[in-house]
Amino acid sequence: QQQVKQSPQSLIVQKGGISIINCAYENTAFDYFPWYQQFPGKGPALLIAIRPDVSEKKEGRFTISFNKSAKQFSLHIMDSQPGDSATYFCAASRGSSNTGKLIFGQGTTLQVKP
Amino acid sequence: KAGVTQTPRYLIKTRGQQVTLSCSPISGHRSVSWYQQTPGQGLQFLFEYFSETQRNKGNFPGRFSGRQFSNSRSEMNVSTLELGDSALYLCASSTWDTSGEQFFGPGTRLTVL
Repeated sequence: QQQVKQSPQSLIVQKGGISIINCAYENTAFDYFPWYQQFPGKGPALLIAIRPDVSEKKEGRFTISFNKSAKQFSLHIMDSQPGDSATYFCAASRGSSNTGKLIFGQGTTLQVKP
Repeated sequence: KAGVTQTPRYLIKTRGQQVTLSCSPISGHRSVSWYQQTPGQGLQFLFEYFSETQRNKGNFPGRFSGRQFSNSRSEMNVSTLELGDSALYLCASSTWDTSGEQFFGPGTRLTVL
């Protein structure tokens, strides 16, 4: 029940295309769902996050779609750029229980071809 | 504001030794969490400290321990190192208000020979 399943494992997209990464969870107690971006040799950087009271959140070219009934959420990167090439992790936590424990998906390596 | 800093950035140890890693959170952040990142297991939660108290612990053996100081700086210690402990150890800090946002440091790359 603690798992977060992420797919695909790797993704190749042409410049200007849309990158879509999906995650699914089982624990209905999760109430905070962030996405992190990690470049080689760096720590993960918080990209965007959502709570289950909204179905979508957009920040620039990045959008999270959240489906509470299906227990799924996804990251959409519009107009993908070569600089977006990185590893993306979804995560989940029980923020309302005052804990910093993030459960991460396995990661998606995104390559954006020029 | 300066970000999360971790020292050292790289470390090479041999089996059986012990190691201490350090993390300085963002100024004003009182919560520090530690994660282990490996190619096989991904990012796994080790433990979290808030106001010098361990608030949460992941499924790691007792060889992994940590502590937090009054200035919110944190250390983690791994005793009796095993080859499988080779990993990137990441520290994340947060204010732990209702936002839940955690900010990661660059990590310490530990290699056990």
